[in-house]
This record gives sequence, C-alpha cells and structure tokens, in this order.
Amino acid sequence: ILNVEQSPQSLHVQEGDSTNFTCSFPSSNFYALHWYRWETAKSPEALFVMTLNGDEKKKGRISATLNTKEGYSYLYIKGSQPEDSATYLCAFRTNAGKSTFGDGTTLTVKP
Amino acid sequence: ETGVTQTPRHLVMGMTNKKSLKCEQHLGHNAMYWYKQSAKKPLELMFVYNFKEQTENNSVPSRFSPECPNSSHLFLHLHTLQPEDSALYLCASSQDLLGSRGNEQFFGPGTRLTVL
Repeated sequence: ILNVEQSPQSLHVQEGDSTNFTCSFPSSNFYALHWYRWETAKSPEALFVMTLNGDEKKKGRISATLNTKEGYSYLYIKGSQPEDSATYLCAFRTNAGKSTFGDGTTLTVKP
Repeated sequence: ETGVTQTPRHLVMGMTNKKSLKCEQHLGHNAMYWYKQSAKKPLELMFVYNFKEQTENNSVPSRFSPECPNSSHLFLHLHTLQPEDSALYLCASSQDLLGSRGNEQFFGPGTRLTVL
C-alpha cells in the first residue's frame, strides 16, 4: 500500500489570500505526480502532470512544484477567488504503473 | 462539457441484477480509465485501457467486468454487486497513457450507483 498524504485536510481562506497545500508521497519508484481539482457536482479536472524533480508548473493563478527526492509536491494558489473553492487531489504514480490518490484538501474561499 | 459522456448518470440496482455503465469520448484519445469514488475513501483507479487493450486491473473483483470495443467506448459490466459497491464511478480519457509528460486526463460526469 502506497502512502499518499495531503495536508491540510481542509482550508478556509478569505478572497484575495494566497494559499498552499502539500502532497507527500513515497520517494522511490516515482513516475509521475498528478494534481486535480474537483468542484462539487462537477467532474474532476486535471491541473498538472509532473514528472521531473524540480518541475514547476503554472496555470493562471495556480502553480505547483515537485521534489521527488524528498517526496513532496506543493500546490499554490495566488489571490484566491471564490471559484477556486474545490477539493484538490494529488495522485502518485509509480514506474510499475500503480496510481494512488490522496484524500484531498478541501479549499473554501470566502468572499 | 469535457467531451467525455457517461450513462446512466444514476443507477439503482439489486444485488442479483446485471447492469452496464457506458462511457464515450469524442476527443480522439487512445487511453480510457474507470475510477471509483466511495464515500469517505480516496479516489481509486480501477482499470486502464490503451488502444482497446487492458493495461491495468488494480485488483478489482471479478463482479466488475470492463469492456473496450474501440478507443471511443468503454463499458463496465456489473453483476452480483454488493451494497459496499455503491459509489460514484468515473470514466476518463487521455491522449496517451497516464503519466506521459504533458498528458492530461478528461473526466466524465460519473454514474452514481446504489446497490440495494
């Protein structure tokens, strides 16, 4: 069983605040790390696929970094907006082709 | 609208029933996936298909039987399910197999399954 942990479990911020959360995963047999956003009553949306140590990816106000040696990835949201409210999931994929999801971080942005 | 459709959106079935979930993608993708989201559990990847061939079965019980007749369609045949199989079943597709650099998945809306 692969241990993928996300923290915090939930987060409440004010509109305009910047925030970040963490995905921790095993540092061995790494192949890829995926970030998804899942809004209530909608389908999950793929945000980033990260494959190389030191990767930094950005999409609008959201960015992510990857450290495969120490087994963590950070997701940053700059200037949070109410529409950013969602559950953010990470998934760790091994070079043997196994995917394990974290429990997610649920973000609520208050206007 | 992600280009991935799933039917039905809701399904209630008894433990002795046989039913099928359907997924269709209009994106020209080569890989398709079934996921399961149970209450209070992380999302789980069940099956992966690439160019109609199954490449992953993540220890899924045989009462779930996938079928991929072509790259655009994916089915999940259900028989003799248990109440604990009640969950949201999500289908997804991607151009190439998961994890390829820059490879992005697109998800369908899911089928909410209740097993009585």
